[in-house]
Amino acid sequence: GIQVEQSPPDLILQEGANSTLRCNFSDSVNNLQWFHQNPWGQLINLFYIPSGTKQNGRLSATTVATERYSLLYISSSQTTDSGVYFCAVRRVTGGGNKLTFGTGTQLKVEL
Amino acid sequence: GAVVSQHPSWVICKSGTSVKIECRSLDFQATTMFWYRQFPKQSLMLMATSNEGSKATYEQGVEKDKFLINHASLTLSTLTVTSAHPEDSSFYICSAEATGNGELFFGEGSRLTVL
Repeated sequence: GIQVEQSPPDLILQEGANSTLRCNFSDSVNNLQWFHQNPWGQLINLFYIPSGTKQNGRLSATTVATERYSLLYISSSQTTDSGVYFCAVRRVTGGGNKLTFGTGTQLKVEL
Repeated sequence: GAVVSQHPSWVICKSGTSVKIECRSLDFQATTMFWYRQFPKQSLMLMATSNEGSKATYEQGVEKDKFLINHASLTLSTLTVTSAHPEDSSFYICSAEATGNGELFFGEGSRLTVL
């Protein structure tokens, strides 16, 4: 199956700092989503971004499908940004319509 | 975004009992829903694909007789953990596609603890 690796696995930031999270995948995809899992476990949709660049407030994401990676940018981080960030992808061939999740990045934003 | 709701959020049961978790799409119809499982500090692993009006499709290694899935309507899928044991304790979360472009939305999750 498709492999989805995220880096870094853990990240500690001071409030106000910027960060870049990376998602590498091993096969062609037609769906890529970024999620934030809050401390209660709920997955919050951040971006649906199989290709290109999108921005939403302090967050933005870029997917370069031909090079099989996606980046999530967090600017001016806040303590409420803490949690786990997952990317998830769906393969173009043989994957049906199911998402495969990456390994996650645990982010902690401190005052 | 679309709303997917799960119930219950938390459940504690005794070993050997069965537990049912409901997943509802509140503002859209979903012919397909997905059930994931997450252990502490790990990623989400797909357990099965729930298809309205037909049998679920289980991922390799998932016991279909242990995890019964029923998708009786376009807005409701249920996961029943039968004869639960402590090793079944986990966070179970469902998802559904709402927009037709492949974007999935997730429920709040259900945390199962088997004593």
